[in-house]
Amino acid sequence: KNQVEQSPQSLIILEGKNCTLQCNYTVSPFSNLRWYKQDTGRGPVSLTIMTFSENTKSNGRYTATLDADTKQSSLHITASQLSDSASYICVVSARNAGNMLTFGGGTRLMVKP
Amino acid sequence: DAGVIQSPRHEVTEMGQEVTLRCKPISGHNSLFWYRQTMMRGLELLIYFNNNVPIDDSGMPEDRFSAKMPNASFSTLKIQPSEPRDSAVYFCASSLAALGVGYEQYFGPGTRLTVT
Repeated sequence: KNQVEQSPQSLIILEGKNCTLQCNYTVSPFSNLRWYKQDTGRGPVSLTIMTFSENTKSNGRYTATLDADTKQSSLHITASQLSDSASYICVVSARNAGNMLTFGGGTRLMVKP
Repeated sequence: DAGVIQSPRHEVTEMGQEVTLRCKPISGHNSLFWYRQTMMRGLELLIYFNNNVPIDDSGMPEDRFSAKMPNASFSTLKIQPSEPRDSAVYFCASSLAALGVGYEQYFGPGTRLTVT
């Protein structure tokens, strides 16, 4: 069964600090992995999309890594800001007829001043 | 571009009533997705369309749910009859292609549905 597990479920950090969110998946055959940021009361917004051959991809202060061998991804946030407070969702797509998506439960990040 | 437009933003209805959620995708996008998000189950894909044709509706929870896309600029998700367990935030998203690599999905603001 395709699954995506994220950890931690929630995280509180101080402004300016770095943090790393984890995503483990069992989706097969793997097509791509996406990280989304979802602010409270809004729809998810894409941060990165990574394919099998990509190990690292950055988007400003956000850096995603992918290890296709261990089926793990991480999202590293550098020099956190209050606006980083949100839920971060990992989504993995399977390379099959429908390229169906499997969603993680998300990590809720709170950045405090 | 106005982005994906959803209406209404909030809907409160009584159990047994029909609910219709509406979505206008980004102009030029040929794929449209309906999602449901709850605290318990997270984000779930209900159905998606490519070129106005439903491609996969395996995520639709039961026959009470139906979705249509009569043209490239409009889609509806209907629940009839509604039940309290349907309470959730329903998102519509659109993209330039179905689920291929590199084709990003753009989400609307969502419709918060409460069924009492």
